[in-house]
Parts: sequence; C-alpha cells; structure tokens
Amino acid sequence: SQELEQSPQSLIVQEGKNLTINCTSSKTLYGLYWYKQKYGEGLIFLMMLQKGGEEKSHEKITAKLDEKKQQSSLHITASQPSHAGIYLCGADMGQAGTALIFGKGTTLSVSS
Amino acid sequence: EPEVTQTPSHQVTQMGQEVILRCVPISNHLYFYWYRQILGQKVEFLVSFYNNEISEKSEIFDDQFSVERPDGSNFTLKIRSTKLEDSAMYFCASSTDSVYEQYFGPGTRLTVT
Repeated sequence: SQELEQSPQSLIVQEGKNLTINCTSSKTLYGLYWYKQKYGEGLIFLMMLQKGGEEKSHEKITAKLDEKKQQSSLHITASQPSHAGIYLCGADMGQAGTALIFGKGTTLSVSS
Repeated sequence: EPEVTQTPSHQVTQMGQEVILRCVPISNHLYFYWYRQILGQKVEFLVSFYNNEISEKSEIFDDQFSVERPDGSNFTLKIRSTKLEDSAMYFCASSTDSVYEQYFGPGTRLTVT
C-alpha cells in the first residue's frame, strides 16, 4: 500500500523566514494534495498537483511535484503567524471519488 | 463561498450506543466521503459514496458503520454500537465529478465513554 512520509515532523521558524516541508511517496503519485489543519479543526485545501514538474503558487505558498512524481515540497516565503498550523500532504489513486491517503503532518509554529 | 458543514461539533456517547453524524456536502458535489482522525494520528479514509451507493471503503469501515444520503442534501455516518476506540474526529468531505480535490468539513469530535 502507498505510504506518505512528511518531513520535518515539526518546525519552528521566526516570522519572516522561509521554510520548506517535504512529502515523499513510496509509489508514483497520481494526485498530490496539500491541506492545512489547525489543531482540532477541519482540513483546508491548499493546492493539488498532478503533473511531473508541476508547480503552483498561492499567495506566499508554493508547491512543487518532482518529475518522477514521488516527492513534493511546500515552500512558504516570508512566514507569518497566520501560516502556523499542521500541513498535511495527501495522495489519491488517480480516479475521481477515490480515497485520499495522508501523511502524518508537519506542525509549523511561527514565532513573532 | 460554499462549504461542507457537519453537526454536531462534539458528541459524547456511552459505549454500546448508536450515534449518527451528519454532514451537508457542497451542493453541486457528487462524491461524498468520511474520514476519521484519532488524536495524534493520521487522517484515515473510511468510505466514499457516489450515486447512492458505497464506491470504496476501508478495513476500518466494518459492519458497525453505515452511510446514508437520506435526502438531497444530507449525508450521514452511523455507528451502531460504539466502542471506546471509535473516539476520534470524524470528517466529512465532498468533491465534484470532474475536479479531484476534496473539500472537508470542520469535523465532529466523537467521545465514547
């Protein structure tokens, strides 16, 4: 079965600093999803990547999927306290309506 | 902006009791899902539902669980006889048929005592 490993497990950065979170799959990814979760709350969809080499940005967050489609990174530029939370990567099996599997998440704290 | 809603936000029940968790998916979505997250653990898939039937389910989704879309807007998860290990956050999600991303609700925290 497919496994998603996220690193680091947790991260503390100073406000204004850049950071990167990684997600590695044991198998080729079809769709890779990034979600943000605040503790005890729901998952907020950030971005979806499907093509090898694809890169998407939204505000100060950029996500990339490598050419082999086994690794994705999430980069935050000039972090702010509002970026704090748990970042989850998820993957699907390539069909609409199928299950997502998730990594364990990366907890980001931003100190001001 | 349309969103998935879930009720109740927190449910406390005694072991052996039946619980029904409710969700209202986004109105033009056709695929519906339930996931759960035990405290400190990964978000785990339970079941997906399309065209009024289960399309996929995990090993967690045993005979104690059932799902239903009783009308055009609600999607429910029933646990027939709750166990202590059913204590978790339960998330409902929905997606369209042409866009794969799943939109999650805020969750229902189920506590079984």
